[in-house]
Amino acid sequence: EIVLTQSPGTLSLSPGDRATLSCRASQSISSSYLAWYQQKPGQAPRLLIYGASNRATGIPDKFSGSGSGTDFTLTISRLEPEDFAVYYCQQYGGALTWTFGQGTKVEIK
Amino acid sequence: QVQLVQSGAEVRKPGSSVKVSCKTSGGTFISYTINWVRQAPGQGLEWMGGFIVLFGTRKYAQKFQDRVSITADTSTSTAYMELSSLRFEDTAVYYCARGDESSGYNFFDYWGQGTLVTVSS
Repeated sequence: EIVLTQSPGTLSLSPGDRATLSCRASQSISSSYLAWYQQKPGQAPRLLIYGASNRATGIPDKFSGSGSGTDFTLTISRLEPEDFAVYYCQQYGGALTWTFGQGTKVEIK
Repeated sequence: QVQLVQSGAEVRKPGSSVKVSCKTSGGTFISYTINWVRQAPGQGLEWMGGFIVLFGTRKYAQKFQDRVSITADTSTSTAYMELSSLRFEDTAVYYCARGDESSGYNFFDYWGQGTLVTVSS
């Protein structure tokens, strides 16, 4: 089973800062099967990025994804108040199996 | 637009079962997978299992293999997740999520609002 490890656990930043979130897989995975989600308190997760680098419908271009193999990154170029949330990476392991990372909390410094 | 609407909060005793529903609208139900994800208080997301509606194929995470059952009623576009032998640690918000692999990618594009299941004696 592939394990996704996200780092850091918490990122303390100010509005206007750039956020860089990491997701590392325990073995190489297909970029097509790596997604990122945002979750705010009391809400369901929202799809941000699929296929490692493709923004979902309606997601602003301040969100970008990159990476391949075992190392993937979500970047938020200029943090706005509504971007402070928890972010999860997810991978599809084939045969209808999924794994989530443990999440990175982006909090206001 | 696509919507997934889940049933309301439940309280159950240890050892009992709970069945949560997820009614979909605005899309072609049989064209997607329906997945169930849970989130314990203050914790991360945990995939429990998925169901390919078109083929009736199910897959469960090993952790839940013996206790979970995912079904669907195509006539009402509703999916169900039943968890049995409930334990205190099953207290969580349970989400259904639509899986889309039609584009060659694979992701959950729409989510239900979540159902809080509380296991309490």
